[in-house]
Amino acid sequence: DVKVTQSSRYLVKRTGEKVFLECVQDMDHENMFWYRQDPGLGLRLIYFSYDVKMKEKGDIPEGYSVSREKKERFSLILESASTNQTSMYLCASITGQGTADTQYFGPGTRLTVL
Amino acid sequence: AQSVAQPEDQVNVAEGNPLTVKCTYSVSGNPYLFWYVQYPNRGLQFLLKYITGDNLVKGSYGFEAEFNKSQTSFHLKKPSALVSDSALYFCAVSPLSGGYNKLIFGAGTRLAVHP
Repeated sequence: DVKVTQSSRYLVKRTGEKVFLECVQDMDHENMFWYRQDPGLGLRLIYFSYDVKMKEKGDIPEGYSVSREKKERFSLILESASTNQTSMYLCASITGQGTADTQYFGPGTRLTVL
Repeated sequence: AQSVAQPEDQVNVAEGNPLTVKCTYSVSGNPYLFWYVQYPNRGLQFLLKYITGDNLVKGSYGFEAEFNKSQTSFHLKKPSALVSDSALYFCAVSPLSGGYNKLIFGAGTRLAVHP
C-alpha cells in the first residue's frame, strides 16, 4: 500500500511567520506535488518536483517555495504567512513519468493563518 | 485553456437510488480521466480512471464512469447509492502534453445520500 504522510493535520500560525509543511512518501516515487484546496475552486497545483533538488512551478506558486533534498520528502514553505494562505494543503506522489499513473494523496494539512 | 467542469455543487440522492455526478472537460487531444473521492477531514482517494478501451470503467466501492468522447464527458455513476457514499467527489484530467503526470481538477461535487 502506498503511504503518503503529512507532518501535521492541523496548524495555526500568525501572519508573517515562516511555515514548513512536510510530506513523506514510502514508495520511491519520483514525482511529488503540493496542492491547495479551497471550496469552490477544487485543487490547485502550487509546485511539483520530478526528482531530488528539481522543482517546477505550478499554477499558483506566489508566496510559496519548496525543497526536495531526499527522494521521499517534499517540503512546502510559506516564507511569510498571510491570511489568504489559510487553506487545506494536500501532498501527492506518483511513480514515473507516464501520465496514466495514479497520484496518491496524503491526509492533508489544514492551515489557519491568523 | 484546459479545464474541467463539475456543473453541480451538490447532488442529493435517496439511499438505494442510482446516482450520477457529472464531469465535462476541455483539453486538447485524448486525455486520461480520473475520479477521486474525499471523505471529511481526509485526503483524496482514487476511485477509477479511463486510459483507453472500453468507455465504461469500473472502480472502487461499486462506482463506474462512462467516457463519452463526442460530449467530452466522464460522468460518475453508481446503480444504488449508500449513505456512506456521502462525500466530496473530484473529477480530474491528465493532459497528454506537459508531462510529469500533472492533473487538472474540477471544483468538486458534494454528494449527499439521504436514508
